[in-house]
Order: sequence, then C-alpha cells, then structure tokens
Amino acid sequence: GQQLNQSPQSMFIQEGEDVSMNCTSSSIFNTWLWYKQDPGEGPVLLIALYKAGELTSNGRLTAQFGITRKDSFLNISASIPSDVGIYFCAGQLKTSYDKVIFGPGTSLSVIP
Amino acid sequence: ETGVTQTPRHLVMGMTNKKSLKCEQHLGHNAMYWYKQSAKKPLELMFVYNFKEQTENNSVPSRFSPECPNSSHLFLHLHTLQPEDSALYLCASSQVRLAGPSTDTQYFGPGTRLTVL
Repeated sequence: GQQLNQSPQSMFIQEGEDVSMNCTSSSIFNTWLWYKQDPGEGPVLLIALYKAGELTSNGRLTAQFGITRKDSFLNISASIPSDVGIYFCAGQLKTSYDKVIFGPGTSLSVIP
Repeated sequence: ETGVTQTPRHLVMGMTNKKSLKCEQHLGHNAMYWYKQSAKKPLELMFVYNFKEQTENNSVPSRFSPECPNSSHLFLHLHTLQPEDSALYLCASSQVRLAGPSTDTQYFGPGTRLTVL
C-alpha cells in the first residue's frame, strides 16, 4: 500500500537554529499537510499545500509541495523551545473518499 | 481550539467493560474520522463517515463499533477490548467536496488516551 517516509526520524537542535525535515513517497499526492503534535494532544494543522511547486509560510514555518508531487519539506527558522513536538506530514491521495496517508513523524527536541 | 472536542480525555477499562468514546465537531464539516495512534507507529485510519454514511472500515476488529448519528457527532463503542488496544484515539473532521479537485483538510480533536487492563 501507499507509504510516506519522513526524515529525519528525530532531531536534537540548539535554540535559535534552523530546522529542515522532509517527507517522501512513491505515490503522487494532490495535497500535502504538515501537522504538529504536542504530548497528550491531537495533531494541529500547521500548513496545507495544494499545488505542485507551492511554497507557503506560516510565521517561522515554511513548507513546499515538491514538483514531482511525491515529496514535501518543512523548514522552521530560529527554533524556540515551544517548537518541541512531533511533526507529521500527510498526503492526500486522489480518491473518491479523499484518503489521507500519514507519515511516521519527526520528533524535534530543542535545547535551550 | 474547540473545533473538535473529544470525551473523555482519559479512559481506563477492563477487558470485559463496555465504554464509548464521543467526538463532536463545531466546524460545519460533513466528514468525520476515527484514528488510532500507538507509540512509534503512524496514525492508523479506522473509520470514515461522509455525510453520516460509513465509507471506510480499515479491517478494524468488531470489538470497535462506530456510530455517526449526525454530521456533528461521532461515537466509538468499545467492547471486550484487548490490552494491545491501548492507544490514543483521535477524532478528526473535514469538509469533503462532492465533485472537482478536493482540498479537504482534516482537523483533529485532542484525543482520548485509552488504557485497557
């Protein structure tokens, strides 16, 4: 079945550093979504991407929809302690029921 | 954020108990979802309801029984669960288009942390 790969699996960075993570698949997606999940909470949508090549920002976060429609990346600039959490990518396949596939997540730790 | 609410937030139950999880969305969406999140595993889609009709059941054991009485409410009835069913159960909702390219985006509730003893 379809599968999303996220890298890196985990990251430990110093406060103030920039962060980059990506999501890849062998399947073509119509939509890419990036979520952040804090411990004990549900995922919160950060950025949604709808067109190949689209580059979208949300504050210090920037995400891009890959030209091949098989990948996406998320960048976080000038990291702060509250950026700690698990970042999930999700791709929406073109099916009649809008099925969304989630990646395994990237765990981010920020060292003050 | 109160777009999607879930109750209870935490639940501990024995294997012979019957309990229900509740989800309510206040976003006017027409689709609702149940996901299971276990440690170190990707989110697993369990059930999908579009316009109150169940459209997907990803080989979920019958001890999990969903119910969608209207487009705003979704329940997950639990019966004779196993310890391996312990996980975070997440509800989500979205607005699904009937035709044309879909830009559906799912919004999640805070989840119910379920522990089966």
